[in-house]
Amino acid sequence: DTGVSQNPRHKITKRGQNVTFRCDPISEHNRLYWYRQTLGQGPEFLTYFQNEAQLEKSRLLSDRFSAERPKGSFSTLEIQRTEQGDSAMYLCASSPIRGGYSYEQYFGPGTRLTVT
Amino acid sequence: GQSLEQPSEVTAVEGAIVQINCTYQTSGFYGLSWYQQHDGGAPTFLSYNALDGLEETGRFSSFLSRSDSYGYLLLQELQMKDSASYFCAGSGSGGYQKVTFGTGTKLQVIP
Repeated sequence: DTGVSQNPRHKITKRGQNVTFRCDPISEHNRLYWYRQTLGQGPEFLTYFQNEAQLEKSRLLSDRFSAERPKGSFSTLEIQRTEQGDSAMYLCASSPIRGGYSYEQYFGPGTRLTVT
Repeated sequence: GQSLEQPSEVTAVEGAIVQINCTYQTSGFYGLSWYQQHDGGAPTFLSYNALDGLEETGRFSSFLSRSDSYGYLLLQELQMKDSASYFCAGSGSGGYQKVTFGTGTKLQVIP
């Protein structure tokens, strides 16, 4: 068990460009979550998957954001036409299901996005 | 929806006990988790309460009261390395389990 990994760790992009982040969860975990975190704030929910199904997406998330989890393994988060307000740490977490519920989440190191 | 409120900052002395509170307003709430996050690091899971009452894990304990919409994290025998941000997080119930994080409490442990 190598934990949750995320790539890249840092991304600097120019406004208007598209970016894609990857998350590799702990292999036996069914659930995968994406969060965004800015300095001094708690992680803000973006979306989550159970296996390959995307079960919920934040209403705060614009159509520029899309996530996939093909085959229920790794996941990608794409941001199209980036804006300076997208600058943040993007965190991925995976979670096992016990008795139908997720009790704890294991976070990756995050991808820090800077939009110039 | 869910919203979880925490004190923004707490300062405590090394070796002492500190309590970090979390009050919430939520619909369809299932359980309360606690996470620790050091500056520059990722959140790390500490504990989870699915039922009312106290859960103890080493120096950390967590409490939940659904009737009061309230929980807390208790840290005992504080160490300098406990200086970090602490977040409560609420889990939804039913088929959809979105997790909402609280506003976070920055704990400073002083000698």
